[in-house]
Amino acid sequence: GNSVTQMEGPVTLSEEAFLTINCTYTATGYPSLFWYVQYPGEGLQLLLKATKADDKGSNKGFEATYRKETTSFHLEKGSVQVSDSAVYFCALFQTGANNLFFGTGTRLTVIP
Amino acid sequence: KAGVTQTPRYLIKTRGQQVTLSCSPISGHRSVSWYQQTPGQGLQFLFEYFSETQRNKGNFPGRFSGRQFSNSRSEMNVSTLELGDSALYLCASSLGQVFGELFFGEGSRLTVL
Repeated sequence: GNSVTQMEGPVTLSEEAFLTINCTYTATGYPSLFWYVQYPGEGLQLLLKATKADDKGSNKGFEATYRKETTSFHLEKGSVQVSDSAVYFCALFQTGANNLFFGTGTRLTVIP
Repeated sequence: KAGVTQTPRYLIKTRGQQVTLSCSPISGHRSVSWYQQTPGQGLQFLFEYFSETQRNKGNFPGRFSGRQFSNSRSEMNVSTLELGDSALYLCASSLGQVFGELFFGEGSRLTVL
């Protein structure tokens, strides 16, 4: 079946620190992979995506590379800001399933 | 362009009652999905509609139902509410062709007492 495993949180970093949030997946075939972000009191927003192996998704300084050999899609940012404080969800989409499978989410808090 | 609009934003019900939540997708989007978000279970898929047809359904009891209208607006209904139904219910819309790129509303937070 399809599943996503995310690094347990919460994660607390100082401003300008390096961020990594680990995500691995289990799926049949070749899923598309996503990172969504949920800011306090809001719904989810698409942060970045990758649709095939070795694709790198990037947005707002965040990056993630689709690694088929390790079934991973780790989220990274070189220098986090206080405004990056949010919950981050890794997700996969399997063609034919018509829905996203989400990880449990990782809460990030950035302190000045 | 207006985003996904969900109403009501907050509501409180008692056990045994029923509730209807509404979702207006982004103009032009024909696919609407519903997710339940709870601290314990995270984000769980409820169902997805495309052009008024339910294409996929998650693993929820029959008390959870939905529908989509010809203008793509969607409603979900939960009957015989239980305490465990307390959650944030998120609606998401998409064109239905770019798979996985969902646009979420802010959610309807349901509290069952």
